[in-house]
Amino acid sequence: NAGVMQNPRHLVRRRGQEARLRCSPMKGHSHVYWYRQLPEEGLKFMVYLQKENIIDESGMPKERFSAEFPKEGPSILRIQQVVRGDSAAYFCASSPQTSGRLTYNEQFFGPGTRLTVL
Amino acid sequence: TQLLEQSPQFLSIQEGENLTVYCNSSSVFSSLQWYRQEPGEGPVLLVTVVTGGEVKKLKRLTFQFGDARKDSSLHITAAQPGDTGLYLCAGARGANNLFFGTGTRLTVIP
Repeated sequence: NAGVMQNPRHLVRRRGQEARLRCSPMKGHSHVYWYRQLPEEGLKFMVYLQKENIIDESGMPKERFSAEFPKEGPSILRIQQVVRGDSAAYFCASSPQTSGRLTYNEQFFGPGTRLTVL
Repeated sequence: TQLLEQSPQFLSIQEGENLTVYCNSSSVFSSLQWYRQEPGEGPVLLVTVVTGGEVKKLKRLTFQFGDARKDSSLHITAAQPGDTGLYLCAGARGANNLFFGTGTRLTVIP
């Protein structure tokens, strides 16, 4: 997972506050994915983005959650009015753009942001 | 509904023993990946298998993709304490998200 950077590594918020999680993909990667992991569980897909486009947000809650991947700068996962149930580890992954189909879809993960909602 | 089921969920073995972890699904995947995750870190990609029946070896780790591309196994020979971690399989269907398995938490006792 070398190269994918996430910050902050740990984030504490009170109920009702906003959480902003940042992800810088590996150099040369133009596809970004966000996943959520609850304790002792596997990763659950949230959203898939390419530069300036949301490709698939089928795993993201319809309310309070949003994601962007601007032309310049990191991808941002934003959670508004956080609740205790949002406490989890949030992982970002990136994959390279290929000329053909992304059949293999190898994704490289960052170290995650651990969100705690008090 | 969990798309990929892993077994066993927990495994504790002595150093030097062999083990196999299974990843099963009723769905077909274009590729399947195995990751290892250590506490407080992100998953690290170990291998990608693409072709049905494919076998890949990574030192003491042997990965196999089922003929129908619905299941996979990870075999570790002569396990070492450094193999301890959470092993995750993940299936891909094209360019979109990965479907992660439930995970197998392996502990190798020195």
